Amino acid sequence: RKEVEQDPGPFNVPEGATVAFNCTYSNSASQSFFWYRQDCRKEPKLLMSVYSSGNEDGRFTAQLNRASQYISLLIRDSKLSDSATYLCAVLSGGYNKLIFGAGTRLAVHP
Amino acid sequence: DTGVSQNPRHKITKRGQNVTFRCDPISEHNRLYWYRQTLGQGPEFLTYFQNEAQLEKSRLLSDRFSAERPKGSFSTLEIQRTEQGDSAMYLCASSALGEQYFGPGTRLTVT
Repeated sequence: RKEVEQDPGPFNVPEGATVAFNCTYSNSASQSFFWYRQDCRKEPKLLMSVYSSGNEDGRFTAQLNRASQYISLLIRDSKLSDSATYLCAVLSGGYNKLIFGAGTRLAVHP
Repeated sequence: DTGVSQNPRHKITKRGQNVTFRCDPISEHNRLYWYRQTLGQGPEFLTYFQNEAQLEKSRLLSDRFSAERPKGSFSTLEIQRTEQGDSAMYLCASSALGEQYFGPGTRLTVT
């Protein structure tokens, strides 16, 4: 089993839709979690850190469920510009390396 | 631009040649990471520096790979005797605490 697993994509949604991605992690000792956005042939860009209490940034909401060992990302009112691959990442080990999921591709269409 | 920079952005090399990549982190960040990403996968951790000390290396980092950060600022990643399986995007990231910021990557193609 991979340390970090994500919903397989792609997700094809119309503009204005709400879409949610889940990501599960296997190491119950993990402390920090992140969502990154990656456009085609570009580097991952930090979208949000995920806090225990959940956090919101505009149309984006991230939540953490420690009991079930998953994090989620909710995107409301999808825009064409949200089309990208969304990577979840878990901070692992004493030296803070990130363990990434394989990513979930989102395609928002008119 | 005060973000992470990497050079070169693209490198095409023949199998068996040596290549070297450079990463310049965000100036106040003392932590520097190298990752490798292949198509359809997330980045995979290769190695980590805190200042000039290399503190962790992945088992993915074979003997042909070596990384340095001699003065605790920029870092280099060298691959000796490249193989076709080394073709990937090599990403560098830096951080001060938990959040890591990535450079644009070096895309390596081994022919």
